Amino acid sequence: DGGITQSPKYLFRKEGQNVTLSCEQNLNHDAMYWYRQDPGQGLRLIYYSQIVNDFQKGDIAEGYSVSREKKESFPLTVTSAQKNPTAFYLCASSMVGAGTEAFFGQGTRLTVV
Amino acid sequence: AQKVTQAQTEISVVEKEDVTLDCVYETRDTTYYLFWYKQPPSGELVFLIRRNSFDEQNEISGRYSWNFQKSTSSFNFTITASQVVDSAVYFCALSEGDESGGSYIPTFGRGTSLIVHP
Repeated sequence: DGGITQSPKYLFRKEGQNVTLSCEQNLNHDAMYWYRQDPGQGLRLIYYSQIVNDFQKGDIAEGYSVSREKKESFPLTVTSAQKNPTAFYLCASSMVGAGTEAFFGQGTRLTVV
Repeated sequence: AQKVTQAQTEISVVEKEDVTLDCVYETRDTTYYLFWYKQPPSGELVFLIRRNSFDEQNEISGRYSWNFQKSTSSFNFTITASQVVDSAVYFCALSEGDESGGSYIPTFGRGTSLIVHP
């Protein structure tokens, strides 16, 4: 089945540790996105990429890093510099172009303990 | 800059009631796109509908209908005869070109949580 796979579904991290969230898609989409969801905050854009080996910061990129070495993969690293990393993280992909809808993964819930 | 406002944080209804979810947007662009997504408890967002700024026709799909009005910058979503399975968080989103004119990255509202009681 075509779609987006995020792993793991739940992740626990100790303060001061970096952690990487995985996102893979087999929809042949050029664009991929990372959003953070907090209660009452909606979805806020962390990073996006529209082509391999290129990515752009979103509204809340501080404390996060990404890479896009393959079209299918867009991993997100939550670094120790992120002051409040506990949240629900959603990965999405779409075709590049105006008005294209995004397809979402099932999310990763990160908890800092 | 773009902004999407969903003023209703949570709506609670009884099954078979009609319910309208409000979405108001702000943009300076003449070309833009509006979307509605549904987020069930499983977590992933599911695309429901897209509208471009040049198409103000309302749309009906089964129990769902959408009312797009540029004059009031609104794109409201109505569910007729609601069912328990409609319980979810619903997001309105807006996309337009960025300063370079090409990205169309969607900006989401804060979402409205709909609870349908049996």
